[in-house]
Formats: sequence, C-alpha cells, structure tokens
Amino acid sequence: SQQGEEDPQALSIQEGENATMNCSYKTSINNLQWYRQNSGRGLVHLILIRSNEREKHSGRLRVTLDTSKKSSSLLITASRAADTASYFCATVSGTYKYIFGTGTRLKVLA
Amino acid sequence: GAVVSQHPSRVICKSGTSVKIECRSLDFQATTMFWYRQFPKKSLMLMATSNEGSKATYEQGVEKDKFLINHASLTLSTLTVTSAHPEDSSFYICSAKTNTDTQYFGPGTRLTVL
Repeated sequence: SQQGEEDPQALSIQEGENATMNCSYKTSINNLQWYRQNSGRGLVHLILIRSNEREKHSGRLRVTLDTSKKSSSLLITASRAADTASYFCATVSGTYKYIFGTGTRLKVLA
Repeated sequence: GAVVSQHPSRVICKSGTSVKIECRSLDFQATTMFWYRQFPKKSLMLMATSNEGSKATYEQGVEKDKFLINHASLTLSTLTVTSAHPEDSSFYICSAKTNTDTQYFGPGTRLTVL
C-alpha cells in the first residue's frame, strides 16, 4: 500500500494543551499537505509544506518536514474544543496524485 | 475562490439501482478531477483520475465498469455507481485541480445502499 501512516490513530487532550500528530510516507514528494475533516464533512486545507522547506507556521499550527526520514509532524498549540476533528496528511509527488495518511482522530475536551 | 461543489450531498438508494454524483468546479476550470472513497473512520482512497475529454485512469482494484466516470467539461465530472450494492455505501469525495499541484476538495456525498 502506498498510503502513509499517521500516529497516533487517536488522541485525546484537554483544552489548552498542545496536540502533536505525525505522518510518515514512503516515496519522494513535491510537497506535503495537512487537512482537517469534521465528522461526515469534507476536507479543510490547513497548510502546505514544500519538499525544500523544513518548518512552516500558520496561526496555532506548526508543521515540520524531514525528507531524510520521510516524516512530517503537525503541532496544534493551545488546543480548543473546536479543534476536535480528524487530521490527515497528504503527500504529493510528480504525478500530482494525493496519497493520504491513515489519519489521527483528535478529541479536545473542554 | 476555488470552490468545488458536489451534488447530491447524500443519497439513499435500493440495491441494484445506479446513482450519479456530480462534481463541479464553481469558479475555475479544472483540467483534472479526482474521485476518492472514504469508509467510516478511515482515510481517503483515490479511486480514479479524470481528465477533461479523455477516459479516466482508475487505481488498482477499482472496477471501471462499476464506477463510471465522465469528465465532459472543464467544470463538471460525474461518478456513476452502477448496480449499487450495500458494500458500495461510503462517502465519496471529489477534488479538482488547475495547472498547479493544489487540489480543491468538494464537501462529499454520502451514499447509503439499502
């Protein structure tokens, strides 16, 4: 399977805490993107990091990329109950196909 | 900008019937559209890649006669699930891209086959 792996599969934290999710992939990439999906809904694009970038920030989100380890992490700081959702990484290679990771289900407790 | 719509948002049908799902790019022309399938609490799996005016390219294990894809214009792609069965029940999501490598995702269609 080409699908990337994400860990943890599920994460439950208290509001205000930080949440870290990891994504590992198998092939070389052009970029890696993170998406959020609320239950039964479509995907919301969060952030894109290119293969020549190592770190990127957007608001409370921080994404790192280590191409030598073929891995990425998403950090959500000061989490809120509204951050409760599933988070997916997607790798993009030269064929422009998106290969999605297995996802992390985040639950933020108020 | 870059809005993708899907219709219907949810559909319930009887086993053996065919269901058509539309994917439209509302404010841009999409050279390529993609169809994904998502089972409950699972990730998105690419089913096929559809280029305007040409036959779709299906991923390994996806039956092309079961999942008919038509990309008749630069703003519309349709997925028809033929002779649907309960195991076809799933969440179907389309995406559209222009000449960049960014895909814009539709809100998804939940198909339930009774």
